[in-house]
Amino acid sequence: KAGVTQTPRYLIKTRGQQVTLSCSPISGHRSVSWYQQTPGQGLQFLFEYFSETQRNKGNFPGRFSGRQFSNSRSEMNVSTLELGDSALYLCASSLFSASGGTDTQYFGPGTRLTVL
Amino acid sequence: AQSVTQPDIHITVSEGASLELRCNYSYGATPYLFWYVQSPGQGLQLLLKYFSGDTLVQGIKGFEAEFKRSQSSFNLRKPSVHWSDAAEYFCAVGASSGGSYIPTFGRGTSLIVHP
Repeated sequence: KAGVTQTPRYLIKTRGQQVTLSCSPISGHRSVSWYQQTPGQGLQFLFEYFSETQRNKGNFPGRFSGRQFSNSRSEMNVSTLELGDSALYLCASSLFSASGGTDTQYFGPGTRLTVL
Repeated sequence: AQSVTQPDIHITVSEGASLELRCNYSYGATPYLFWYVQSPGQGLQLLLKYFSGDTLVQGIKGFEAEFKRSQSSFNLRKPSVHWSDAAEYFCAVGASSGGSYIPTFGRGTSLIVHP
C-alpha cells in the first residue's frame, strides 16, 4: 500500500510570506504528526492530530498551526515566515488503537522549505 | 522534561565490523524508546522500539538495542555492518501524553562505513 506522501517536496518562500504543507497518511491511519528538522535544532516535534483534533503540541510559536480533515489528510501552516523556518518538515502517520497510542509511526520523505 | 544524548556525532566502522551506537536519556517515568535511521533525502524509518517487557529489543535490518534502566541507556547494536547501513541514526524518548506520546530526539549519529 502507498506510504505517507507529502506535497510539495520542495518550496522556496521569502520572509513574511505564509506557507501551507500537505500530508496524506497511509490509508487507514488516523493519526498524523508533524516534525521540523534543522541542522541547528535537530528533529523537533510540532504537533499531532487525531480525528481532526490536535492531541499534542510541541514548543513552537503560534505562527505554526495545523489541521486535519475527515479523511485524515493533514496540513500545516506557517505564517509570517522567518529565515529560521528553513527546514525539512516531516510528517508521520500511525494507526491509532483505542487502547493507547503506541503504534509505529511511518514517515514521509518530507518537504524542504527554504526561506529567503 | 525529557532529553536524549547521543554522545557520538560521527562513527566510522569497516564493513563487517560490529557496531554500537550510544544513547542516554533523561525521563522521570518509564520511557518509550526508539531508534530511527535516516538516509540522505529520505524520511525516518523506525528500526526498533521499546515500550515495556524484555529489555533486549530486536529490530529490522539485523539491529538490536538493550534498555538499561540503571544506566538510562538504550544503545543500538549490530554484529556485522553492511555498506548500506551508512546513514544518520536517531535515538528518541517518548513521553506519554493524551493516549499517545511526544517524542524528543537526540542530535543523531552519522555512521560512515569503510569498505
